[in-house]
Amino acid sequence: DIVMTQSPATLSVSPGEGATLSCRASQSISTHVAWYLQKPGQPPRLLIYDASTRATGIPARFSGSGSGTEFTLTISSLQSEDFAVYYCQQYNIWPLIFGGGTKVEI
Amino acid sequence: QAQLTQSGAEVKKPGASVKLSCKASGFAFTSYVLHWVRQAPGQRLEWLGWINSANGHTKYSQQFQGRVSITRDTSSNTLHMDMSDLTSEDTALYYCARGVLGASLYYIDVWGTGAMVTVSS
Repeated sequence: DIVMTQSPATLSVSPGEGATLSCRASQSISTHVAWYLQKPGQPPRLLIYDASTRATGIPARFSGSGSGTEFTLTISSLQSEDFAVYYCQQYNIWPLIFGGGTKVEI
Repeated sequence: QAQLTQSGAEVKKPGASVKLSCKASGFAFTSYVLHWVRQAPGQRLEWLGWINSANGHTKYSQQFQGRVSITRDTSSNTLHMDMSDLTSEDTALYYCARGVLGASLYYIDVWGTGAMVTVSS
């Protein structure tokens, strides 16, 4: 199975600052990556798909990039509602695999 | 809007089985594939399998093949997941989720409310 490795595990950021989250695949997955945000006690919410396309209703401060094995989620200016855990997911081949998550904390 | 409403929490003994339900509303049920994903406490999300709601075709993670069965009832727009031979390692929050076909396979655009399954003697 593909392994999805996210880094860092925890990112400490002040409101208004930017953040860069990384996700690495153990083999090439083209641009078949999605990013999700999860707050405590809530299900995940889709942010990005196809590596760089924002989902409906997602603010422009969220952007995704990358292809092959290296992917990045960038948040340009963190708002209070952005402090959460972020997961990447590959959907290039079965089984669908999620990364271990990056917690973005204040 | 599209919603997936799941049945309540379950407590089971080791070796038992559990059946979870997930009712879809706000979208054309048979136009989508539906997945089950679980999350053990403090762990990453783990995909179990999916079903094509139109024709009932299923695909499972090899890790759960033979122990998980996903079915659907198109008359009530309800998804089910049966898991057998439960162990403490199956203690997790189980989500149903709607899949969207991306450039290759599926990402998830709608998640259920989640149902906690606790396996304990």
